[in-house]
Amino acid sequence: QAVLTQEPSLTVSPGGTVTLTCGSSTGAVTTGHYSYWFQQKPGQAPTTLIYDTSNRHSWTPARFSGSLLGGKAALTLSGAQPEDEAEYYCLIYDSGVRVFGGGTKLTVL
Amino acid sequence: EVQLVGSGGGLVQPGGSLRLSCATSGFTLSIYWMSWVRQIPGKGLEWVANIKQDGSEKDYVDSVRGRFTISRDNSKNSLYLQMDSVRVEDTAVYYCVRGSSVAANFDIWGQGTMVTVSS
Repeated sequence: QAVLTQEPSLTVSPGGTVTLTCGSSTGAVTTGHYSYWFQQKPGQAPTTLIYDTSNRHSWTPARFSGSLLGGKAALTLSGAQPEDEAEYYCLIYDSGVRVFGGGTKLTVL
Repeated sequence: EVQLVGSGGGLVQPGGSLRLSCATSGFTLSIYWMSWVRQIPGKGLEWVANIKQDGSEKDYVDSVRGRFTISRDNSKNSLYLQMDSVRVEDTAVYYCVRGSSVAANFDIWGQGTMVTVSS
């Protein structure tokens, strides 16, 4: 089963751009892994931002975008807002198994 | 407004049983795959189980297979997780999650319910 690696923590300035990545121990992440990105704020349930690598839900702010970068799933935040400070988790489907990453704590400062 | 409200959590002794419920509203439950995902406090997320619209297909993470049972009652707009032979490592917040009509993916998350397994 794949183990997903995310940056433990990142800091971005208000209005700045940051990219979070999600790498797999089994090799390159591809569109066939249908990667997801979730946002979780303290004391709240997660919300789904991105599905199937790059698709936003209707509630996902346009400043969030998903992609594949260098064999990893990536979440780019362009124009960070204070309310984007949160934990971000990735997920991939690996041989039918749903695997979550360990999360990235994003600080907007 | 789509809502998923989890309930049934609490303190249970190792080896005991607990039944979690997820009351849904604002959408037609029978159209969607549903899942349970758990989170150890302060830690990451783990998919637990999912179930097809009519209950004909179910899948579980290896660590709970044979101990947990996912079910649903579309007429009552409810999803369930029967937890038997619970272990200390099952302690977590349990979230019900709505999927799509074609796959057990993760679109909308409910509020979680906390399960504590301790003697």
